[in-house]
Amino acid sequence: DGGITQSPKYLFRKEGQNVTLSCEQNLNHDAMYWYRQDPGQGLRLIYYSQIVNDFQKGDIAEGYSVSREKKESFPLTVTSAQKNPTAFYLCASSIVGLAGTEQYFGPGTRLTVT
Amino acid sequence: AQKITQTQPGMFVQEKEAVTLDCTYDTSDQSYGLFWYKQPSSGEMIFLIYQGSYDEQNATEGRYSLNFQKARKSANLVISASQLGDSAMYFCARMNYGGSQGNLIFGKGTKLSVKP
Repeated sequence: DGGITQSPKYLFRKEGQNVTLSCEQNLNHDAMYWYRQDPGQGLRLIYYSQIVNDFQKGDIAEGYSVSREKKESFPLTVTSAQKNPTAFYLCASSIVGLAGTEQYFGPGTRLTVT
Repeated sequence: AQKITQTQPGMFVQEKEAVTLDCTYDTSDQSYGLFWYKQPSSGEMIFLIYQGSYDEQNATEGRYSLNFQKARKSANLVISASQLGDSAMYFCARMNYGGSQGNLIFGKGTKLSVKP
């Protein structure tokens, strides 16, 4: 089955620790995205990548970092510099350059930092 | 900032009836797309329907249709014959086709509850 996997579903960390969220897709999509969702809110874009070894900041990139070494993988690191890291994180992927193509989302990782 | 507004935090609908979820948007671009996603309590985002800014006809996908009024910058989702499984959060999103192609801007969502 083609799709996007995110692991783990729930993640707990102590304040001050960096944590990396994984995102893997086998849809052969060029573009991948990371969003953050807070309770009662819509999704906000953290980072996106349209090609391997290249990525751009979204609206709320501060305190986060990403890499795109392989087409299939787009891991997100939540660093200790992120002031409010507890949130639901969603990864997505899409085709590039074709209007109207939707983004496909993974199941999400719920991160709790205490 | 260009934004998406969903004015209904929560909506109730009786099973088998139709419901309209409102969405208005800001944009100064001529070329853009509008998307609706469903988010069940499990958390994943499920794509429902798409409308391009140059599409002359309103989009339809099964029980979902989009009431697109370009001059009013509104893109309301209509769900016909509601089912209990339609209970979820619904998000409207806009994508501009330009320098930041691919970036979706989301509204805050509407929580739909279907009553038996």
